[in-house]
Amino acid sequence: KAGVTQTPRYLIKTRGQQVTLSCSPISGHRSVSWYQQTPGQGLQFLFEYFSETQRNKGNFPGRFSGRQFSNSRSEMNVSTLELGDSALYLCASSLDGQALRTEAFFGQGTRLTVV
Amino acid sequence: DAKTTQPTSMDCAEGRAANLPCNHSTISGNEYVYWYRQIHSQGPQYIIHGLKNNETNEMASLIITEDRKSSTLILPHATLRDTAVYYCIGKTSYDKVIFGPGTSLSVIP
Repeated sequence: KAGVTQTPRYLIKTRGQQVTLSCSPISGHRSVSWYQQTPGQGLQFLFEYFSETQRNKGNFPGRFSGRQFSNSRSEMNVSTLELGDSALYLCASSLDGQALRTEAFFGQGTRLTVV
Repeated sequence: DAKTTQPTSMDCAEGRAANLPCNHSTISGNEYVYWYRQIHSQGPQYIIHGLKNNETNEMASLIITEDRKSSTLILPHATLRDTAVYYCIGKTSYDKVIFGPGTSLSVIP
């Protein structure tokens, strides 16, 4: 079966712009979680959605937001981009439950560069 | 602040066991400890998880101390394809997901 698909794979944006990243989970998976990975901070949890509801949120400013659609596909949005938002953004899907309560399958990530 | 700690890097000879430790004293007593690995430029891959008892699957074994403050991931016969960054992950009692900094394992021929 198809894995987790993230689009786009690479993105270059200018400071102050906004960006939307997309994640299509494995078919049948209802939970999608998002993570930011940077060389300085490592992997950090952004938020998690289950059945279109945000279940949990990490310590990120309100510029970071997300949503989940009825088909479980999820998007995350970052507004007013800053240089420090440059990172690899990963999403993971799992069958149900809260992030990391069950085995999660990660996508390849979207590499965002803010210039 | 909740955090986990892991060695920055480790080497292991091919065919030998790789033992990767993690200290996670702030992971809630009711939450599982998860181990994932990330091979360069790919998304993390699930390896194993456990709560209190030792666990084994086809990839690895997980030893969790009785006080749950630390665990060790064991790759019994490391191969070159096991070269990756290994993360231990858990959740705090405040339901926050916390990642270890990761251990870069190099398997040497």
